[in-house]
Amino acid sequence: NAGVMQNPRHLVRRRGQEARLRCSPMKGHSHVYWYRQLPEEGLKFMVYLQKENIIDESGMPKERFSAEFPKEGPSILRIQQVVRGDSAAYFCASSPKGQGLSGELFFGEGSRLTVL
Amino acid sequence: RKEVEQDPGPFNVPEGATVAFNCTYSNSASQSFFWYRQDCRKEPKLLMSVYSSGNEDGRFTAQLNRASQYISLLIRDSKLSDSATYLCVVNAGGTGGFKTIFGAGTRLFVKA
Repeated sequence: NAGVMQNPRHLVRRRGQEARLRCSPMKGHSHVYWYRQLPEEGLKFMVYLQKENIIDESGMPKERFSAEFPKEGPSILRIQQVVRGDSAAYFCASSPKGQGLSGELFFGEGSRLTVL
Repeated sequence: RKEVEQDPGPFNVPEGATVAFNCTYSNSASQSFFWYRQDCRKEPKLLMSVYSSGNEDGRFTAQLNRASQYISLLIRDSKLSDSATYLCVVNAGGTGGFKTIFGAGTRLFVKA
């Protein structure tokens, strides 16, 4: 499957634990975006990364959330000390170049985090 | 005001009906516009881009009015398989370049 791969698809954590969500972009894509979708709500932009660089993190909560996209390996969205309000679907998308006029984002199937 | 606003929905229509989705955006510097479709508990997928001249893809027609900052999607002869949430998407200026903003979506139910 040459699409955007996310894992785990489902993750259950207790309050206070850490959650790590991984995303491998489509082959040939060097730009990764993370979005969060709460139940019955739209997608909210979190962060935009290129390899080894955070380009735009204006949608990331100031505490407990971090993201990286290392030179080798997948992009990681890390949530420390999870709370019930973090329960959501986290979607990763990739594009071959920066968000621009061409615009299409290719999404993974999402990682559904449940915090007990 | 939200950056991208859509009809709250849901829309419940019979098969064969014509249904129109409306969307407005707040950033006049926005550069590109799209409609995505999201099925229940699935990822969003691009339905079509929206151009100033308007564009059509089979039963689907998209329109853009830059002066009014308004985007529309028309579905003709709706099918059961069109049932989904339709997301209006705008590429706006942001830190480090453009930022893709999704509307909250409008859910469509097509019934036999």
